[in-house]
Order: sequence, then structure tokens, then C-alpha cells
Amino acid sequence: DGGITQSPKYLFRKEGQNVTLSCEQNLNHDAMYWYRQDPGQGLRLIYYSQIVNDFQKGDIAEGYSVSREKKESFPLTVTSAQKNPTAFYLCASRLAGGSTDTQYFGPGTRLTVL
Amino acid sequence: KQEVTQIPAALSVPEGENLVLNCSFTDSAIYNLQWFRQDPGKGLTSLLLIQSSQREQTSGRLNASLDKSSGRSTLYIAASQPGDSATYLCAVKIGSGNTGKLIFGQGTTLQVKP
Repeated sequence: DGGITQSPKYLFRKEGQNVTLSCEQNLNHDAMYWYRQDPGQGLRLIYYSQIVNDFQKGDIAEGYSVSREKKESFPLTVTSAQKNPTAFYLCASRLAGGSTDTQYFGPGTRLTVL
Repeated sequence: KQEVTQIPAALSVPEGENLVLNCSFTDSAIYNLQWFRQDPGKGLTSLLLIQSSQREQTSGRLNASLDKSSGRSTLYIAASQPGDSATYLCAVKIGSGNTGKLIFGQGTTLQVKP
């Protein structure tokens, strides 16, 4: 059963802590993306990766970091430098060069800072 | 800078009504436009994708149109059903292939009352 999984579904963080959100896909997609969604707003791009061991900053990368050591995995770390991390985080993937130019989204992780 | 706007932010209609959701964008240099559906607390599901050279796409009761010159797209839902209740987001892709990225609107939250 192919798809994108994100874990955990809910995450609570104390101020000053770093937390890592997991994103795994078994679709054999090359490109992966992290978005942030705030209430009443659209998705904003945090980081994206087109191939293993390579990634680029999106529009709101400050306070976040990523790695892409494996094709299937693209974890996002929310660092203590992120001033307002409470949000809904969505991971997506896309088959590079595929005929269907669609990003496939995971179910999301809701992060709350206590 | 590309900006995507969706009006209205929320819409409530009785079951069976036909309805139109609106999306506007400021820069006509887009690669394609997509409409997504998002259920509460969930990820996004792609509904329709219109390439920049196309005028419309249809899938079942859904029809999406694109007018690049005026910077507008509409999503038409025929014979609405309570199961259509969700948030609908439009996104334009700027740039092609792997270097392209999606710019999202804020979404329209639709409630279809039985």
C-alpha cells in the first residue's frame, strides 16, 4: 500500500526544545517537500529536496533544518530558533519528471508549543 | 511576487445546490494550477490540475476553469452533497519541473447542509 506517512500525528514541545517530525514515502518519488499551515492561511514552503543528499530552502526556512540521507525519508527538525512553531506541518512528495505533475501529501503533524 | 487569493473564506449551502469557488492570482506566468481538497486535520488530496495551456478540466461533478489573462480560476461543484464539506485550496505552480514550486491560496471552507 503506497503512500506518505508522517509521525507523530500530534506533538507537544516545551519552549527551547528541538523536535523532529518524521516523513516517509514508499512511492519511489525523487522530490520531497515540507510545508507549514497556519489557521486561515495557505501552505507555505519550508524546505524541499529534489534528490538524496540535496535540499533547498523554501520561503520560511528560518528556525528549521532538514536532512535527506535516504530517498524514502525527509525528516524536519524544528529548532528552538523558530519563534512561533505551533502549526500544522505537511510533508509531500512528487515523482520528478513524471507525467503527472502532482504532489502527494501526508496526513500531517500538529505541533503545539507549551 | 505571486499571490493567490480565494474568496469567500467560508461558504455554507443547502444540499443539492450548484456552487462556484473562486481563486485569483497576481502573475499570469504560471506553469499550472491545481485544486486540492483538505478534510479537517488531514492532508491534501489533488482534485484537478489544469496546465497553463488548458482552459478547463472536469472530474465527475467537479469542473475547474482557468483564465490566465485575467488571473482567475473557478471550481464548479454540481449538485453538492454533505460529503463535499471540506476546505478547498487552489495552488499555482511557478517554474517548471523540479525547480517549480506551489503557491497556495488561503482556502475556502465549504459546508453543505443536509
